[in-house]
Amino acid sequence: AQSVTQPDIHITVSEGASLELRCNYSYGATPYLFWYVQSPGQGLQLLLKYFSGDTLVQGIKGFEAEFKRSQSSFNLRKPSVHWSDAAEYFCAVRGTYKYIFGTGTRLKVLA
Amino acid sequence: DTAVSQTPKYLVTQMGNDKSIKCEQNLGHDTMYWYKQDSKKFLKIMFSYNNKELIINETVPNRFSPKSPDKAHLNLHINSLELGDSAVYFCASSYGGTTSGSVFEQYFGPGTRLTVT
Repeated sequence: AQSVTQPDIHITVSEGASLELRCNYSYGATPYLFWYVQSPGQGLQLLLKYFSGDTLVQGIKGFEAEFKRSQSSFNLRKPSVHWSDAAEYFCAVRGTYKYIFGTGTRLKVLA
Repeated sequence: DTAVSQTPKYLVTQMGNDKSIKCEQNLGHDTMYWYKQDSKKFLKIMFSYNNKELIINETVPNRFSPKSPDKAHLNLHINSLELGDSAVYFCASSYGGTTSGSVFEQYFGPGTRLTVT
């Protein structure tokens, strides 16, 4: 079955620290993967996407993600977190005619 | 310019009432979606339309009826509202709803917070 798992429900980091949010997927064919961010009271905004090619993809707001087929993972990273990065982060995979989202990771940033 | 817009942003109503949420996209996309996000932020697909044709209906109660008058609009009508319908409803759009070889990201609206009392 097609699925996305985000193992961490909550993550807290200090401002300026590095960040890694985990995402594991289950998909039979080549996955098309996405990371979205949802700020409080807002809709979802695309951070980055992976379709093919270079397994390290760059996104907006200084985020990057690395696709690792052997680990079925697509982890999101940022070298230095800003207070404005506090939000809910969703990993998603394109399934058959639809997009499957993980349960989200809530990021809290300490000043 | 707003890419995907929804109205209303907030909707407070009583059990048993009927209400509608409207969605419009100006991106030229051919596929539109409705999602329900519960209080735990879980995002669940409800419906998807491609070129006005229903392609996904995820075991949603038949009290929920989507309607797509054209490719740019997808409305959601809910009959006999129940307490459990309280959630945030998101509309989204993309290209390539039925063509597996074409994969594009979704664009989301700002959401409609529905509260049923």
